[in-house]
Amino acid sequence: EVQLVESEGGLVQPGGSLRLSCAASEFTFSNYWMHWVRQAPGKGLVWVSFINYDGTTTNYADSVKGRFTISRDNAKNTLYLQMNSLRAEDTAVYYCVRGGPLRSLDYWGQGTLVTVSS
Amino acid sequence: EIVLTQSPGTLSSSPGERATLSCRASQSVSNLAWYQQRPGQAPRLLIYGASSRATGIPDRFSGSGSETDFTLTISRLEPEDFAVYYCQQNSGSWTFGLGTKVEIK
Repeated sequence: EVQLVESEGGLVQPGGSLRLSCAASEFTFSNYWMHWVRQAPGKGLVWVSFINYDGTTTNYADSVKGRFTISRDNAKNTLYLQMNSLRAEDTAVYYCVRGGPLRSLDYWGQGTLVTVSS
Repeated sequence: EIVLTQSPGTLSSSPGERATLSCRASQSVSNLAWYQQRPGQAPRLLIYGASSRATGIPDRFSGSGSETDFTLTISRLEPEDFAVYYCQQNSGSWTFGLGTKVEIK
């Protein structure tokens, strides 16, 4: 069974930084695009970022462009999200997600809560 | 940016009934997916490519539609189907609709 396990989030002050990681197992990590999707408390799903197989192509939602950086280490089967200049509106559960057929999102981690507050 | 509008916002139904959920795109999309999210759980892929069921998804779930109008149908609601459903498109970047909550009447 595909496993995606996000690192623990936490409480961060506005303007602060946090790096999330996602450990992937039970599939060939380097063969798949990967994504981050977030969900603010009580709200819907919002796509955040994508990275291709080897990390040479990335894309970001406008709301995080210039502040967040997605990366991957295929040797370690790990996906990352570096989040800088955090704002209150970045408070959300962040999901690590595998890219699936026809650009769908086929496997999701359990999510990790990031709270931005003073 | 392509906007996805889901309707209804909330659907009140009883177990055993048929549920029909709609997703309308602001412009034509090439691929559309549907996800289910139960309370306290991560989303789960149900349908991709508008009509293909994901691995392990029961055949009571079906998707249809093209271009700007898409439908998710649950033929007979089971107790575990009461959840929030999201559509998602991926022409360019990825965007989600706001969701339809299917609740027990």
